[in-house]
Amino acid sequence: GAVVSQHPSWVICKSGTSVKIECRSLDFQATTMFWYRQFPKQSLMLMATSNEGSKATYEQGVEKDKFLINHASLTLSTLTVTSAHPEDSSFYICSAITDSYEQYFGPGTRLTVT
Amino acid sequence: AQSVTQPDIHITVSEGASLELRCNYSYGATPYLFWYVQSPGQGLQLLLKYFSGDTLVQGIKGFEAEFKRSQSSFNLRKPSVHWSDAAEYFCAVEGNFNKFYFGSGTKLNVKP
Repeated sequence: GAVVSQHPSWVICKSGTSVKIECRSLDFQATTMFWYRQFPKQSLMLMATSNEGSKATYEQGVEKDKFLINHASLTLSTLTVTSAHPEDSSFYICSAITDSYEQYFGPGTRLTVT
Repeated sequence: AQSVTQPDIHITVSEGASLELRCNYSYGATPYLFWYVQSPGQGLQLLLKYFSGDTLVQGIKGFEAEFKRSQSSFNLRKPSVHWSDAAEYFCAVEGNFNKFYFGSGTKLNVKP
């Protein structure tokens, strides 16, 4: 099956700094990717839809100025958590859709803000 | 609006016993349904999916699920659980624009 990677797999940053997470489709092109967030012992919540060449669309309640999404190419979407705070600590998972509309998930990135 | 309910937060079964994890969905159209498994600190692994056709779907690792439209359910089953099956299981429905909506998850513990 198709492979989606994320980098880094875990990151620790200080409060007030920004951190970028990459999501790559390794063996297919993805015009659409999604970003999810998972709090400890909770389910995944969709944050935003990332569309190549256009602005991301955010789910209700997600701060677009805090979570910047850039889908600069057909194989790469980035999520930047700006001015991170401890409450932003979470597990972030991306997914990408193939031409046949199958969705594949990345392995996730654990963000800890101290 | 689409939503998924997994009524069981935790389930404990003995190794070798059968397993059924419940999932109910709410979706206006014909649903695309999925079961994923997640080990601690890991990403999601697809167990199986239902798009159409045969309502009994076979997946990996000996799992199967049955789609019952009349009950809006998509329960996951395994006839004999192995200790390595201990993990968290998520049911999901694919909604409009390929967005996934996940249930709250069921954590499976396996007793030796």
